[in-house]
Amino acid sequence: GNSVTQMEGPVTLSEEAFLTINCTYTATGYPSLFWYVQYPGEGLQLLLKATKADDKGSNKGFEATYRKETTSFHLEKGSVQVSDSAVYFCALSHPTSGSRLTFGEGTQLTVNP
Amino acid sequence: EAGVAQSPRYKIIEKRQSVAFWCNPISGHATLYWYQQILGQGPKLLIQFQNNGVVDDSQLPKDRFSAERLKGVDSTLKIQPAKLEDSAVYLCASSEGGPSYNEQFFGPGTRLTVL
Repeated sequence: GNSVTQMEGPVTLSEEAFLTINCTYTATGYPSLFWYVQYPGEGLQLLLKATKADDKGSNKGFEATYRKETTSFHLEKGSVQVSDSAVYFCALSHPTSGSRLTFGEGTQLTVNP
Repeated sequence: EAGVAQSPRYKIIEKRQSVAFWCNPISGHATLYWYQQILGQGPKLLIQFQNNGVVDDSQLPKDRFSAERLKGVDSTLKIQPAKLEDSAVYLCASSEGGPSYNEQFFGPGTRLTVL
């Protein structure tokens, strides 16, 4: 079946540091890939997405590139802020599963001033 | 535009008791989802409705969980009887619908603690 694996957390960074959160997936064919963010006390929000190989999703300074050859969708940001502290989830949807999302375990990010 | 509403936000019950959660999706969204998010894990889909019909309930523990979406709008998820391992956040999400992916919008969730 389809699955998503994220790097283990938690991740703690200082403000303005570079962020990478690794995500790899297992699926046949060409799934769509997503990053969701969950701020404290709030619901999940879509951060960015990519629907085909080599697509780059970007939003709020975050970006991720859909790499078919390495089955990866790593999240990056050049300079994190305290307000980026949240839990980040990598997810996929597959054409054979309709609109169902399969999530990774989540990575807790804490950014210190 | 109002988001997905859920209630209650928190619930504490004893094991073997019953509990129900309510979800009101974004107006006009045909598809509604219930996810279970256990602490330290990603959300897992329990059930998906398209209008008032069930599309996918393959991961719903049907011996104790039930869900309905009357009139294709609001939905309730019930657990009867609850077990300790049901302690989790229950997330409701909605999307415009259709056979392929449409962005899902999530509610704030209901945190259930089973003692």
